[in-house]
Amino acid sequence: KQEVTQIPAALSVPEGENLVLNCSFTDSAIYNLQWFRQDPGKGLTSLLLIQSSQREQTSGRLNASLDKSSGRSTLYIAASQPGDSATYLCAVRPADSWGKLQFGAGTQVVVTP
Amino acid sequence: GAGVSQSPSNKVTEKGKDVELRCDPISGHTALYWYRQSLGQGLEFLIYFQGNSAPDKSGLPSDRFSAERTGGSVSTLTIQRTQQEDSAVYLCASSSGQATDTQYFGPGTRLTVL
Repeated sequence: KQEVTQIPAALSVPEGENLVLNCSFTDSAIYNLQWFRQDPGKGLTSLLLIQSSQREQTSGRLNASLDKSSGRSTLYIAASQPGDSATYLCAVRPADSWGKLQFGAGTQVVVTP
Repeated sequence: GAGVSQSPSNKVTEKGKDVELRCDPISGHTALYWYRQSLGQGLEFLIYFQGNSAPDKSGLPSDRFSAERTGGSVSTLTIQRTQQEDSAVYLCASSSGQATDTQYFGPGTRLTVL
């Protein structure tokens, strides 16, 4: 059974520091991995999607890497801003059941001015 | 044009009542998904629809939960005889139907069962 873990559960950094968020999964048979952002009381906003054949994806200050063989993904956010404060979730799409995203519990990030 | 929409945004009901939650996917998206987010349980898959195929209902927690998708577009999630443990945020997502594509989420419906 696929297990998705995110460490740390919470993170607080001063503005300007780089953020490093980790996601690990137990079964490497995946189609892709997706990173989401969730603001309090809101739905999920997709940040980056990495296909299983890719090693990384970049969008602006965000960079996500994927090492499928070791079951790990890392989301880097450069030069953090207070507006980056949110909960970040990773989700894998299993190869045997592509309709179901399996989510980690999330990392709650606070960026202090 | 618009993203995924859900209604109502909030629903308060009494234990034992039935509720219906609605999802309008992005136009043209053939796949539609329902998830539930509750404290202590995280985000869990409930059901998904792909085109005209039979839906994958494997995540529905009990037979009190059902969902339908009419005309390949709008979907309704129905919870019968609601229980307090059904209190959660119910999120809907849609995608173009390829295994490699992004799922786009709606704002969710917050259900509170008193």
